[in-house]
Amino acid sequence: GQSLEQPSEVTAVEGAIVQINCTYQTSGFYGLSWYQQHDGGAPTFLSYNALDGLEETGRFSSFLSRSDSYGYLLLQELQMKDSASYFCAVRDRKGRRALTFGSGTRLQVQP
Amino acid sequence: DAGVTQSPTHLIKTRGQHVTLRCSPISGHKSVSWYQQVLGQGPQFIFQYYEKEERGRGNFPDRFSARQFPNYSSELNVNALLLGDSALYLCASSPPGQGYNEQFFGPGTRLTVL
Repeated sequence: GQSLEQPSEVTAVEGAIVQINCTYQTSGFYGLSWYQQHDGGAPTFLSYNALDGLEETGRFSSFLSRSDSYGYLLLQELQMKDSASYFCAVRDRKGRRALTFGSGTRLQVQP
Repeated sequence: DAGVTQSPTHLIKTRGQHVTLRCSPISGHKSVSWYQQVLGQGPQFIFQYYEKEERGRGNFPDRFSARQFPNYSSELNVNALLLGDSALYLCASSPPGQGYNEQFFGPGTRLTVL
């Protein structure tokens, strides 16, 4: 079966750096994505890795190691507005746009 | 440009009833996917449609069905509602030729089954 593991909650202070880890077990692998979801809102795309290494998008970076079935999302210079749930998601079928999501990590940024 | 739109925003039904949820993708997007999100969990894939054809189905019972129209809008139908169907139903669209991993989600329909 498919499974993605990520911590349920993380707390950090404004201005700090936080890393949210994700390990996955899927039958196929065609990329690891990260989505942010504020309470009552829709998930919004943050980042995507198909190959090993680090992808940087502003204050957010995402890393992938396919050999370890592991990735992480790194958030720098945390702001209060970053308080949200963060989901890793794997696409496990070629040619299909279905994503398998983890259960999410709730990030609370404190002043 | 308008984002993905969904209707209705909220819905209350009783067990055994039927419900139809609607989604309009971003202009130019031909793929629509449906997800169910139970409180405290990540979205779970239900269906994907591309060019009016079903391209994928998640692990949901046959009570769930969907279709896509020539204008790429989509409907999700759920028959014989159960209490466990209470969830946020999300629609996502993505552009052709790219964006396999980047999906644009609508605000969702909050379904409550009593």
